[in-house]
Amino acid sequence: EDQVTQSPEALRLQEGESSSLNCSYTVSGLRGLFWYRQDPGKGPEFLFTLYSAGEEKEKERLKATLTKKESFLHITAPKPEDSATYLCAVQATAMDTGRRALTFGSGTRLQVQP
Amino acid sequence: DAGVTQSPTHLIKTRGQHVTLRCSPISGHKSVSWYQQVLGQGPQFIFQYYEKEERGRGNFPDRFSARQFPNYSSELNVNALLLGDSALYLCASSHAGTRQETQYFGPGTRLLVL
Repeated sequence: EDQVTQSPEALRLQEGESSSLNCSYTVSGLRGLFWYRQDPGKGPEFLFTLYSAGEEKEKERLKATLTKKESFLHITAPKPEDSATYLCAVQATAMDTGRRALTFGSGTRLQVQP
Repeated sequence: DAGVTQSPTHLIKTRGQHVTLRCSPISGHKSVSWYQQVLGQGPQFIFQYYEKEERGRGNFPDRFSARQFPNYSSELNVNALLLGDSALYLCASSHAGTRQETQYFGPGTRLLVL
């Protein structure tokens, strides 16, 4: 069974204080690892897809990295508008059925104070 | 381009009733997935449809059913509602058949069962 564990559950940062969010996963065969941002009461907003160990992607103050067992979301010099819940999800290979379900972690609630 | 749209935005039902939730995918996307998200947790996979065929089903009881129409829109039906069905129901669409089969989420339908 695919599993995703995110840590910490909650993180409070001062504006400009860089940090990292962790996503540990176990999956039968990784098709992709996804990061989403979710604001309260809204649907998840896509950030990144990573496919293989060693891959990195960046967008503004965010950088995602991937190893064979975990992924990190690095936040550099965060601003209050970066406050949200960050969700990590894995998609397993399922060539026989074409199933593309995402298995999510519980998320990290990030609060950035001015 | 319009993103994924869902209706209604909010819904209040009583135990034992039936509910139908609707989703329109991003133009050109042929795959639709449904997820349930309870407060404080990540989304949990319910169904995936592609070209009107079910591609996958999560660990949900038979009270949950779905279908996809020729225009690729989809409905999620839940019968005999329980208090525990209260959640945010998310629809996601994807451009199936590509390596980057990223799922893009709608704003969700907030269901409250009393």
